[in-house]
Amino acid sequence: EVKLEESGGGLVQPGGSMKLSCVASGFTFSNYWMNWVRQSPEKGLEWVAEIRLKSNNYATHYAESVKGRFTISRDDSKSSVYLQMNNLRAEDTGIYYCTRSHPFDYWGQGTTLTVSS
Amino acid sequence: DVVVTQTPLSLPVSFGDQVSISCRSSQSLANSYGNTYLSWYLHKPGQSPQLLIYGISNRFSGVPDRFSGSGSGTDFTLKISTIKPEDLGMYYCLQSTHQPYTFGGGTKLEIK
Repeated sequence: EVKLEESGGGLVQPGGSMKLSCVASGFTFSNYWMNWVRQSPEKGLEWVAEIRLKSNNYATHYAESVKGRFTISRDDSKSSVYLQMNNLRAEDTGIYYCTRSHPFDYWGQGTTLTVSS
Repeated sequence: DVVVTQTPLSLPVSFGDQVSISCRSSQSLANSYGNTYLSWYLHKPGQSPQLLIYGISNRFSGVPDRFSGSGSGTDFTLKISTIKPEDLGMYYCLQSTHQPYTFGGGTKLEIK
């Protein structure tokens, strides 16, 4: 059974940092591109970042709204993908999901980030 | 960036109805290999989004055949026939052909 489990969310002040983690099981993690998608009531679903495979030199892509502030990474030996978030803003508040692609067929249960003073 | 315009914003329905949701992109979603990465998701409150349709018209495992997808190029449609209570929620289309990937704004399927 494919499972994705996120962790690391919480409350952080504007300008602060947070690192999210997602552990995968039930499939060969190193064979799949991985993504982070977030959801907020105001914006709906928003794609955040993608990381590709070792054979793609772990190429990464980001939404314009997070470029330069967020960094996606992966550790295939731990079947894990991470999202390092710096210089956080109120508009980064939301539920963050990790999902594999393509397509985005399995999703974690999400972890909630609140950016507020 | 590819803009994905989803309509309508809200869709009041009665159980048993058939409905369509439209998704239009600002440029063609077919890549140079002829693949089109357009998918549809249902997001219910308190749950993770679930994949319904991928590659325009392919139903994901376990998705009932009352869900169907169609379209090409820049114009795509999700049809739901014989709506059931478990179909209520937010529907989103996603283009993952061009970076950055972009979701439509969502359609809320709700009871009349």
